[in-house]
Amino acid sequence: QKEVEQNSGPLSVPEGAIASLNCTYSDRGSQSFFWYRQYSGKSPELIMFIYSNGDKEDGRFTAQLNKASQYVSLLIRDSQPSDSATYLCAFDSGGGADGLTFGKGTHLIIQP
Amino acid sequence: DADVTQTPRNRITKTGKRIMLECSQTKGHDRMYWYRQDPGLGLRLIYYSFDVKDINKGEISDGYSVSRQAQAKFSLSLESAIPNQTALYFCATAAGKGYEQYFGPGTRLTVT
Repeated sequence: QKEVEQNSGPLSVPEGAIASLNCTYSDRGSQSFFWYRQYSGKSPELIMFIYSNGDKEDGRFTAQLNKASQYVSLLIRDSQPSDSATYLCAFDSGGGADGLTFGKGTHLIIQP
Repeated sequence: DADVTQTPRNRITKTGKRIMLECSQTKGHDRMYWYRQDPGLGLRLIYYSFDVKDINKGEISDGYSVSRQAQAKFSLSLESAIPNQTALYFCATAAGKGYEQYFGPGTRLTVT
């Protein structure tokens, strides 16, 4: 059974601070990792994807992957109230089956 | 115009009725997916398709069927709806396995 673990939150962060979201996964064969942002009642929106160990930066967002520890994280710098949402971690296994396995999400609240 | 569209956006139906949810995409992607999202359970894969001739069951396919009418169209049917199929349904597309997936706006389905 492939699993993704995320702290459901809510995670409360002051405006302008760094928000750190974490995710662990069970499938050592996982190859691709994704972070999605989802506002209430809306569809998931892709924020970042990462395939290799290390850091990947895109604007205010940094994804970090450590395959040995089966750990992926998302850092949001200079957090804004508009960043308040649920963040979903997902991975695609390297096996034959397709489709992403999603975590249940972390609810992030940026306090003005 | 949106790259991935879903119709209807909201639907209320009665137990035992047949219902079809439709998804269309203009991204030119070969792979299409249907997920459902329930509070506390996250996103779960129902079916996925690589092309019009290739349909595959996901984690929770019982009670559902799909049809890939064309590269751009992928429909989900509930042959005899039941209340525990009340959920938010999302269609997604991807260029290939392990690639990022892009979601449609979702269909909120209520079965009474």
